[in-house]
Amino acid sequence: AQSVSQHNHHVILSEAASLELGCNYSYGGTVNLFWYVQYPGQHLQLLLKYFSGDPLVKGIKGFEAEFIKSKFSFNLRKPSVQWSDTAEYFCAVVDAGNNRKLIWGLGTSLAVNP
Amino acid sequence: EAGVAQSPRYKIIEKRQSVAFWCNPISGHATLYWYQQILGQGPKLLIQFQNNGVVDDSQLPKDRFSAERLKGVDSTLKIQPAKLEDSAVYLCASSPGTGSFEQYFGPGTRLTVT
Repeated sequence: AQSVSQHNHHVILSEAASLELGCNYSYGGTVNLFWYVQYPGQHLQLLLKYFSGDPLVKGIKGFEAEFIKSKFSFNLRKPSVQWSDTAEYFCAVVDAGNNRKLIWGLGTSLAVNP
Repeated sequence: EAGVAQSPRYKIIEKRQSVAFWCNPISGHATLYWYQQILGQGPKLLIQFQNNGVVDDSQLPKDRFSAERLKGVDSTLKIQPAKLEDSAVYLCASSPGTGSFEQYFGPGTRLTVT
C-alpha cells in the first residue's frame, strides 16, 4: 500500500536558521505531491504542490520543495525561518490509482524560537 | 471565494451520546471528504463522496459512524454512540473533483468525549 514517511517528528530551530523537512513516499507511478501546514489553532492550508514540470516548486511564505523521482522524495525547505513558521507540517501524496485518495505523513512539528 | 464551512467548531459530549457535524463545501466542488485527526497524527480519511455517491468509506467505523451528502452539496457526519476514543478533530475538505487533486479544508470540529 502507498505510504508517506516524514523523517522528523519534532524540529526546534532558532530564527534565521535554515529548514529542511524530509518526506519520502512509496508509490512508483505518477504522483501528485503536497505540503500542508497547520498553524496553531488554524485549519490545514496548502503550502505548495507538485503535479508535473519543474521539480523545484515554490510555495507561499518563502517555502520551496524539490521532487526527486529517483529518491521518491519531496523535501520541504526554507532558507531562513521565522517565529511565525511555528506549525505542524504535513506531506501528502495523491494515489492517482486509488480514487485519488490523499495519503498523509504523520506530520512534523516545527517550533521556531525567537 | 468562500471556503469550506463546518459547524459546530467545538463539541463536548458524554460517551454513548450522539453527535452530528455539518459541512458545506466550496461551491461547485464535486468531491467531499471527512477526516478524523487525532492529536499528533495526520488526518485519517473516513469517507469520500463524489457528488452524492460514496467513493471510499473503507475506514469508516460503520457500526457507529454514518455520513450522507444529500443533493451532492452539504454533508453531515454522525457518531452514535460516541466512545472516548472518538475524541478528535473532524475535518471536512472538498476538491473540484475533475483533474485537480488539491483539497481545501474547513476549520474542523473539535470533539471531546468524556
